[in-house]
Amino acid sequence: GAVVSQHPSWVICKSGTSVKIECRSLDFQATTMFWYRQFPKQSLMLMATSNEGSKATYEQGVEKDKFLINHASLTLSTLTVTSAHPEDSSFYICSASPPASNIYEQYFGPGTRLTVT
Amino acid sequence: AQSVSQHNHHVILSEAASLELGCNYSYGGTVNLFWYVQYPGQHLQLLLKYFSGDPLVKGIKGFEAEFIKSKFSFNLRKPSVQWSDTAEYFCAVILYNTDKLIFGTGTRLQVFP
Repeated sequence: GAVVSQHPSWVICKSGTSVKIECRSLDFQATTMFWYRQFPKQSLMLMATSNEGSKATYEQGVEKDKFLINHASLTLSTLTVTSAHPEDSSFYICSASPPASNIYEQYFGPGTRLTVT
Repeated sequence: AQSVSQHNHHVILSEAASLELGCNYSYGGTVNLFWYVQYPGQHLQLLLKYFSGDPLVKGIKGFEAEFIKSKFSFNLRKPSVQWSDTAEYFCAVILYNTDKLIFGTGTRLQVFP
């Protein structure tokens, strides 16, 4: 089946530094990738949708200059949290959709837990 | 704003007990409905989906869900749970003509042998 990986699975960084999270589709090409954020005991909130080769579409309230998304290839999307602060600590999950698929056909990665100290 | 509510945050059952997890959404238009499951240490997986037709849909591993339009609900059921059903369950909707999954807060199910 379709597999999506994320790296790293967890990361601790100091306030003010930047952190990059990778999302890879291992056995299929993903024209669309999604980035979600999940706070404890809350739902997954869509942050942005990225299409290969074009700029990401951010949801309302998500700072695009803070959460930089790059979808440079059909198998890789990256999320960079710039100048991280403790309030950015969260669980970040990516998902990927194969070409010509329905929107619900998203294959999810295992998530990355970010802790900012 | 449109939202999805899962009122059961944590459910504890013994094996062979019946399960029903509630899911309600707030949107008056056409929706597509989903249940996802996340087993410990694993990624989210699609359990079942409803687009149209028979409001009782069957998914994998013996799960089913019933869409009741008048109640804006899409409750998940299983007649007899197993220890291996221990997981987090998320209800989600896609609003008509949108491309976004809106998730509920999730329900943690623990099944004891």
